[in-house]
Amino acid sequence: AQSVTQLGSHVSVSEGALVLLRCNYSSSVPPYLFWYVQYPNQGLQLLLKYTSAATLVKGINGFEAEFKKSETSFHLTKPSAHMSDAAEYFCAVSDPNFGNEKLTFGTGTRLTIIP
Amino acid sequence: DTGVSQNPRHKITKRGQNVTFRCDPISEHNRLYWYRQTLGQGPEFLTYFQNEAQLEKSRLLSDRFSAERPKGSFSTLEIQRTEQGDSAMYLCASSLYAGGPADTQYFGPGTRLTVL
Repeated sequence: AQSVTQLGSHVSVSEGALVLLRCNYSSSVPPYLFWYVQYPNQGLQLLLKYTSAATLVKGINGFEAEFKKSETSFHLTKPSAHMSDAAEYFCAVSDPNFGNEKLTFGTGTRLTIIP
Repeated sequence: DTGVSQNPRHKITKRGQNVTFRCDPISEHNRLYWYRQTLGQGPEFLTYFQNEAQLEKSRLLSDRFSAERPKGSFSTLEIQRTEQGDSAMYLCASSLYAGGPADTQYFGPGTRLTVL
């Protein structure tokens, strides 16, 4: 079974500082990996996804993530935090052998931006 | 593209009652997913459809839960004899599967169920 682990349920960074949200995956096959963001009272929005092409994936709103097989990681970064980045972020994994039938999500990381 | 819509947005019910939620996917999306999210947790997969066929159901989906997608358009999720443990946010997502890798799932705003 596949799973993802998000280290740190709450992360606080100052406005303008680097954002680093951690995600480690467990999978018997090279997985597809995703980062979603959830703003209050809104649905989840896809930030970026890895599908075994380039290991460095660029997403929306200046976010990017790097797939590191040796570390089984897919950490999300952004060079300079904005107040509008405050939200909950979810890492998710799916098994490419079965197609994108279902996503298995981590427990989420709530990002707070300090003015 | 009006996005995925879900109705109602909030539902409060008494234990033992039946409830039904509706999801309208993005038009022309052939896949539709249901997830459940409890407080402090990530969404958990419940079931998904490709067109009108229900292709997979999670073990989380007890016999009290049933989902349909008639004509491959909107979907309904019904919970019979609700229990307090059913209180959660129920999320719907849709995608356009064309045989390629990792089609993007677009999520609706969810229906928050509270069982008293």
